[in-house]
Amino acid sequence: GIQVEQSPPDLILQEGANSTLRCNFSDSVNNLQWFHQNPWGQLINLFYIPSGTKQNGRLSATTVATERYSLLYISSSQTTDSGVYFCAVRRYSTLTFGKGTMLLVSP
Amino acid sequence: EAQVTQNPRYLITVTGKKLTVTCSQNMNHEYMSWYRQDPGLGLRQIYYSMNVEVTDKGDVPEGYKVSRKEKRNFPLILESPSPNQTSLYFCASRGGGYNEQFFGPGTRLTVL
Repeated sequence: GIQVEQSPPDLILQEGANSTLRCNFSDSVNNLQWFHQNPWGQLINLFYIPSGTKQNGRLSATTVATERYSLLYISSSQTTDSGVYFCAVRRYSTLTFGKGTMLLVSP
Repeated sequence: EAQVTQNPRYLITVTGKKLTVTCSQNMNHEYMSWYRQDPGLGLRQIYYSMNVEVTDKGDVPEGYKVSRKEKRNFPLILESPSPNQTSLYFCASRGGGYNEQFFGPGTRLTVL
């Protein structure tokens, strides 16, 4: 099956800092999503981005499908950004998740 | 509000006592699925359904049953729960094609 690798596995930031999370995948995909799992365990949809660039407030994402990677940018991080960020790729009927990046933003 | 709902959100039970976790979506989505999330293993698909009365196994179906009698509902059934089914469970739905997938709030299950 398709392999999804996320980096870094862990990240600690001071409030206000910027960060870039990366997602590499091993084969062509039909779509790609980024999720944020908050400390209560809920999975929040951030971006549905099979290709191109999207922005939503302080977050933006870019997927370069031909090179099989996606990037999630977090600017001016806040403590509420803490949690785990997952990349998930769909190839036909299967949605495969990466292992996530655990982000801790300290005040 | 478009959403996927699950109940219960938290459940502690004992080995062998049958239980059902309900899942419902109000987006008229064709596809629904169940995942479990475990530390170090990430999210793994248990079962999925492409439409009413059409279901298929995911990566970890052993010990679980599902049914899809109505488009909006997709319950997960554990006939005889065991401690290794202690996990965080998510229901999800999406429209046809390769559309965005939406997840429910999760159900934390503990089997003693």
